[in-house]
Amino acid sequence: SQKIEQNSEALNIQEGKTATLTCNYTNYSPAYLQWYRQDPGRGPVFLLLIRENEKEKRKERLKVTFDTTLKQSLFHITASQPADSATYLCALDIDPSGSARQLTFGSGTQLTVLP
Amino acid sequence: GAVVSQHPSRVICKSGTSVKIECRSLDFQATTMFWYRQFPKKSLMLMATSNEGSKATYEQGVEKDKFLINHASLTLSTLTVTSAHPEDSSFYICSARLQGIQPLHFGNGTRLTVT
Repeated sequence: SQKIEQNSEALNIQEGKTATLTCNYTNYSPAYLQWYRQDPGRGPVFLLLIRENEKEKRKERLKVTFDTTLKQSLFHITASQPADSATYLCALDIDPSGSARQLTFGSGTQLTVLP
Repeated sequence: GAVVSQHPSRVICKSGTSVKIECRSLDFQATTMFWYRQFPKKSLMLMATSNEGSKATYEQGVEKDKFLINHASLTLSTLTVTSAHPEDSSFYICSARLQGIQPLHFGNGTRLTVT
């Protein structure tokens, strides 16, 4: 069966360090992968999208990698700040048409950046 | 741009009553909106795809007579939880996208508590 796993339910790191979050999947051939941030009691907010033919994407302090051989995406936050504390969700879509009906979310990793 | 507004943010209702949740796209037209349900520390589960001017598409296991979806205009979709029971208590989130393979824009969710 199809499965998405995000590393450890919770991750604590020290301010200024690089946070690395992992999204592994099995039995998927995703057309693209997205990362979202969700704060408590709020809806998710889009961060980055990476396509299957892209290896890496960057946006300010954020970097996403996508390895379709390893079936893994890594999400990095460099120079982390306490304001980066949130739950981060990865989402995969196998449908290249963008209908989003096949967009499946992982359960998220709760990141806490300690001052 | 691409703001999705969801109301109410919180609602408490008695068992057996119905609750309506509104989802509006404020600065764009959304022919398709998506309704998700999220349990604590769990992933977002797609309940249904709301299509403007036509019937919603429900995911397997979601009772369409219990979760009524209406998408009367290009900017408004509503989810009505009918004859609510305590097990319907959850966090409901709507989302929409502009077109194609674009990120989802989420509302801030509705915390429903059925007593």
